[in-house]
Amino acid sequence: EAGVAQSPRYKIIEKRQSVAFWCNPISGHATLYWYQQILGQGPKLLIQFQNNGVVDDSQLPKDRFSAERLKGVDSTLKIQPAKLEDSAVYLCASSLAGDTQYFGPGTRLTVL
Amino acid sequence: GEDVEQSLFLSVREGDSSVINCTYTDSSSTYLYWYKQEPGAGLQLLTYIFSNMDMKQDQRLTVLLNKKDKHLSLRIADTQTGDSAIYFCAESNRGFKTIFGAGTRLFVKA
Repeated sequence: EAGVAQSPRYKIIEKRQSVAFWCNPISGHATLYWYQQILGQGPKLLIQFQNNGVVDDSQLPKDRFSAERLKGVDSTLKIQPAKLEDSAVYLCASSLAGDTQYFGPGTRLTVL
Repeated sequence: GEDVEQSLFLSVREGDSSVINCTYTDSSSTYLYWYKQEPGAGLQLLTYIFSNMDMKQDQRLTVLLNKKDKHLSLRIADTQTGDSAIYFCAESNRGFKTIFGAGTRLFVKA
């Protein structure tokens, strides 16, 4: 069974630029999560989808971050405009029904 | 709010047992997890325990849960250099928001 796929693996941008990350969850997994992991910290939930609906986006900085999961399968997370403090690893995870989460390899973002 | 705390570092010799500890605050947690993260990789699920269990064993891994003290531990028997990684404790309540600790970095000396 294929795992959670993410791309790109690495991205370097300058502050105020835009960036987008893509995630394809495990086939059949209804729940999809985006996490931000700053160096030396545990993952922090940004947004959780159940199929194509948002379950929790309380910690998503909505003035600059957006995410969508239009067909209830893959998802895109966008940052516009990026700030220096957005430098982190962005992890995508999926679960069958909101239970055990399986993580992708992450996208490491560096904002200069 | 909910919080999960772990010690930041642990160093052991190859062949010894490692014990990584975690405390959490949400008494309504239903699932407690241990994840492993190697450099440049995502989080790999190692094991999990339901809150109505005291212990779970899976090959070299033993999870102990003290629900009264809200304390979770992960014991790795016969620790190998390949076990060097960051270990994250996490808790969730019926599959809702999962809270992660900051991770314990395990160093295994040959």
